[in-house]
Amino acid sequence: GENVEQHPSTLSVQEGDSAVIKCTYSDSASNYFPWYKQELGKRPQLIIDIRSNVGEKKDQRIAVTLNKTAKHFSLHITETQPEDSAVYFCAASKEAYGNKLVFGAGTILRVKS
Amino acid sequence: DTEVTQTPKHLVMGMTNKKSLKCEQHMGHRAMYWYKQKAKKPPELMFVYSYEKLSINESVPSRFSPECPNSSLLNLHLHALQPEDSALYLCASSQGVQNFYEQYFGPGTRLTVT
Repeated sequence: GENVEQHPSTLSVQEGDSAVIKCTYSDSASNYFPWYKQELGKRPQLIIDIRSNVGEKKDQRIAVTLNKTAKHFSLHITETQPEDSAVYFCAASKEAYGNKLVFGAGTILRVKS
Repeated sequence: DTEVTQTPKHLVMGMTNKKSLKCEQHMGHRAMYWYKQKAKKPPELMFVYSYEKLSINESVPSRFSPECPNSSLLNLHLHALQPEDSALYLCASSQGVQNFYEQYFGPGTRLTVT
């Protein structure tokens, strides 16, 4: 089945710097890749997603890139702010399993002010 | 209404108790999900309901029993749980079960089994 690896497990950046989190997936048939942000004690929130017919997607300070050949996708956060501090999960999904999301292990992002 | 709601927020139960978790959405979503999340770990899928029918059971022990009474409600009945079942139980919903539909999570029920 699908396996999603996520790196790094923890990431500390200075406020205003950029942060990049990378995920690789194993199943070339996966074609939907969402990113979730989970603050301490809160629900996972969908922040951005990308489908396999698109190479890049941006939403204000957040962008996601997808390299289907290499089977990896990345989350880019620019001009980081303290409120960006959270755990970020990537996930992958493919049609054959309905909307079953396979999650990465998560990245703890700390933005230091 | 663009939210998934869950009750209760916290639940403490003994190993011989029977309790239920409730999830509700009024977004017209036709797929609903139960996840289990341990501290500092990603959510693990337990069950998927599509159009009120169980479509995925991820080999979950029978002490967890899901129920979907209607398209807006999802329950998780708990019986004879073990301490290792203590976790955050998250409900989610999406417009459908095709993978181009986004999943939205509820706030979760933090369950402690004593």
